[in-house]
Amino acid sequence: QVQLVESGGGVVQPGRSLRLSCAASGFTFSSYGMHWVRQAPGKGLEWVAVIWYDGSNKYYADSVKGRFTISRDNSKNTLYLQMNSLRAEDTAVYYCARDLRVFGVLWAFDIWGQGTMVTVSS
Amino acid sequence: NFMLTQPHSVSESPGKTVTISCTGSSGSIASNYVQWYQQRPGSAPTTVIYEDNQRPSGVPDRFSGSIDSSSNSASLTISGLKTEDEADYYCQSYDSSNHGVFGGGTKLTVL
Repeated sequence: QVQLVESGGGVVQPGRSLRLSCAASGFTFSSYGMHWVRQAPGKGLEWVAVIWYDGSNKYYADSVKGRFTISRDNSKNTLYLQMNSLRAEDTAVYYCARDLRVFGVLWAFDIWGQGTMVTVSS
Repeated sequence: NFMLTQPHSVSESPGKTVTISCTGSSGSIASNYVQWYQQRPGSAPTTVIYEDNQRPSGVPDRFSGSIDSSSNSASLTISGLKTEDEADYYCQSYDSSNHGVFGGGTKLTVL
């Protein structure tokens, strides 16, 4: 079945780095744009980043621009989020989500992973 | 920056109908599609409406979405409320800078 599984979360000190992964299965990963969305404890959803199906375009929320990098390996059906210079305010559950549109981006999410928790604390 | 504003909470009785609003801060909310997501406690979000008023397969037709350009708002309407509908609901769109935008979320209580 169509599935997204995140991994790589954990506890990290402020200023350090972490890389999240999102393994896709059950669909043609290379045909879909992908997003990262996060949710701080007890808070709402916040869009983080998007990458086009072929990696040709990437956009970031202002809160992470310059610190986070979204990438993908279509040969491995895997999405990544490299997070550098982490701050306490980056503490959240990070979800990967598939965009609805094939070979484009509709900015609508139809499939979500179960999330991976990132805690930034000394 | 474009923002989406939702009521913090709504409540209604089982069997009744409830509408959750989502108001755009600027421009026309009708310019870009609006989606709605349901999130139950401890679970990942799921899509209940996409492209303003489309339901994914498996979502009951008790859920409907609409756009009101005069008030620059989108709405999610749930009819025949069930206790299982109790959840947080988020509207979502995007802005002209290619940033995804979520509303702050609305906690629906079915009592």
